Amino acid sequence: ETGVTQSPTHLIKTRGQQVTLRCSSQSGHNTVSWYQQALGQGPQFIFQYYREEENGRGNFPPRFSGLQFPNYSSELNVNALELDDSALYLCASSLAGNNEQFFGPGTRLTVL
Amino acid sequence: AQSVSQHNHHVILSEAASLELGCNYSYGGTVNLFWYVQYPGQHLQLLLKYFSGDPLVKGIKGFEAEFIKSKFSFNLRKPSVQWSDTAEYFCAVNARNQAGTALIFGKGTTLSVSS
Repeated sequence: ETGVTQSPTHLIKTRGQQVTLRCSSQSGHNTVSWYQQALGQGPQFIFQYYREEENGRGNFPPRFSGLQFPNYSSELNVNALELDDSALYLCASSLAGNNEQFFGPGTRLTVL
Repeated sequence: AQSVSQHNHHVILSEAASLELGCNYSYGGTVNLFWYVQYPGQHLQLLLKYFSGDPLVKGIKGFEAEFIKSKFSFNLRKPSVQWSDTAEYFCAVNARNQAGTALIFGKGTTLSVSS
């Protein structure tokens, strides 16, 4: 059974740029959630995707957007990067109807 | 809105000491409760979960937690900690039986165990 994988591991961008982060869900899981974990904080929910549609969103502006593909993998896109977007971005997969989520290792984004 | 409070920001213990980390949540409906652990350099891993049934749940590595509905609490315990338990611990909650439910996390508790 393959776990949740994320790429890239680390990324450095400058303010105003755009970034795309990728996530492959655990085998058999059809739901993907994205979280932002700032330094010293708990993860905060960004949004969740199920059947290629957004299925719940946290308190994040529209410049945070996502996609889910037919193979259940997912992308997180952030436009117009700000310094405060520097964080660890976590992807979690689950099976619809089961509230247990499995996390990937995360992508560390640094915005300069 | 749901929220989770973890009372201890940083806990320092010696090996073999007992551990209790506090967690309280606010939500009026029925919830699922979780404790996750993040070891240095590793990803978040599930320690234990409560969905229903016996309010005392046992997880991996000798951890357990008790759900007390009247107190909106889900405290994590371990009778005797080891140096390898040094990690960040997160309590989380989500609403049961709702589509698109997010995990709401507390701010975490850093546990440092000295040998």
